[in-house]
Amino acid sequence: AQSVTQPDIHITVSEGASLELRCNYSYGATPYLFWYVQSPGQGLQLLLKYFSGDTLVQGIKGFEAEFKRSQSSFNLRKPSVHWSDAAEYFCAVDGRNFGNEKLTFGTGTRLTIIP
Amino acid sequence: DSGVTQTPKHLITATGQRVTLRCSPRSGDLSVYWYQQSLDQGLQFLIHYYNGEERAKGNILERFSAQQFPDLHSELNLSSLELGDSALYFCASSKGVGNTEAFFGQGTRLTVV
Repeated sequence: AQSVTQPDIHITVSEGASLELRCNYSYGATPYLFWYVQSPGQGLQLLLKYFSGDTLVQGIKGFEAEFKRSQSSFNLRKPSVHWSDAAEYFCAVDGRNFGNEKLTFGTGTRLTIIP
Repeated sequence: DSGVTQTPKHLITATGQRVTLRCSPRSGDLSVYWYQQSLDQGLQFLIHYYNGEERAKGNILERFSAQQFPDLHSELNLSSLELGDSALYFCASSKGVGNTEAFFGQGTRLTVV
C-alpha cells in the first residue's frame, strides 16, 4: 500500500525567505505525486503534480517540486515566500498502479510566515 | 474556484440523526471522490465513484453510504451520527480512470452535537 510522510508538522519562515517542505513516499512502482495547499476554511488547491518525465516540476504561485527516486522524496520549494503563502500543505500519492485512484495524503505541514 | 460545488457549507445536527451531503463535479469529470478531514485522522479517503459505479472504498463506516447519479452529481449519506463524525467532508472530481488530477470542493463542515 502507498504511504506518504511529511516529517515537519509546522514550519515558520520569514517573508522573503526560501522554503522547502519535505515529502517522502512509499510506493511499489513509479508514483504519481501531488502537492495541495489548504488555506484556512478553504478546500484543497492543486499546486503541482508529477507523473513522469522531467523530475523538476513547476506549479502555480511560484512553487516547484523535485522528484528524487533514489531518496523517495518529492520536496516542495519556493525561492521567496509571501505572507499569502501561509497555509497547510499536503503531499499526496495516488494508487493507480495498484488498481485504485484514491489519493493518499500526508499529515500536512502548516506554514507560518513571519513579517 | 475549482468548479466542484458542495452543499451545504455548514451543517449542525444532533447525535443519532441522518444527513446528506451533496457534490456537483466539474463539468466533464466522471470521477467523484469523498474524503473526510478531521484533526485526529487527517485526510482520509472514503469512497470513489466513476460514471455512476463504485470504484473503490476506503475507511468508510457502514453507517455511511454514497451514490453517484446519472447526471454525475454525488451524495454522501451519514446516518446514526456520533460526536466523532464531526469533520470536514470534501468532495473531489477528476476526469476519470487514468487521470487522477483531482479538484476539490470547499467542503462541508459537519458538527454533531
